[in-house]
Amino acid sequence: EAQVTQNPRYLITVTGKKLTVTCSQNMNHEYMSWYRQDPGLGLRQIYYSMNVEVTDKGDVPEGYKVSRKEKRNFPLILESPSPNQTSLYFCASSLSLGTDTQYFGPGTRLTVL
Amino acid sequence: AQKVTQAQTEISVVEKEDVTLDCVYETRDTTYYLFWYKQPPSGELVFLIRRNSFDEQNEISGRYSWNFQKSTSSFNFTITASQVVDSAVYFCAPTPYSGAGSYQLTFGKGTKLSVIP
Repeated sequence: EAQVTQNPRYLITVTGKKLTVTCSQNMNHEYMSWYRQDPGLGLRQIYYSMNVEVTDKGDVPEGYKVSRKEKRNFPLILESPSPNQTSLYFCASSLSLGTDTQYFGPGTRLTVL
Repeated sequence: AQKVTQAQTEISVVEKEDVTLDCVYETRDTTYYLFWYKQPPSGELVFLIRRNSFDEQNEISGRYSWNFQKSTSSFNFTITASQVVDSAVYFCAPTPYSGAGSYQLTFGKGTKLSVIP
């Protein structure tokens, strides 16, 4: 089954404790990206990747890191999480350009205390 | 950069009523794509439709229809005979086509639709 998976689905952590949210897709998609969703703000893009070892900043990259060492995986890293990073995070992938349909993961709800 | 406005924050309708969700976008790009996504209460994001800026034909898919008017920069979405299962947040998202190396999807803030039985 074609899908985008994220882990964990729910995470409660404390300020400053490094964490990684994994994202994996099995569709051989070149493009992957991360979004955060906050009430009243909709979805905002954090980072995106056009292929292995090629990443770029989206609208709200501060406080986040990403890596793309393999085509299927695109982890999101919070080196020192802060409460303002409490949010719902989505990973997405698409076949090639951003104009292709994006397929979203189920979301990761992160709470930073 | 694109800007997208979904002026309706929340809409409530009674089941079987028709409802139209508005989307107005601003872009300097001459070529772009427009998407609609649905987010039901369960939280996942579901793709509904993708259109390109060259094709202004309206589209109908079952109870869903889309009206794209380039002259007014609008890409509105109508649900006919709404059902409770249509209750969700709907996002409009324009994307420029800028060739390889540019990839940024801008989402509107969404319209929350509640269909009351």
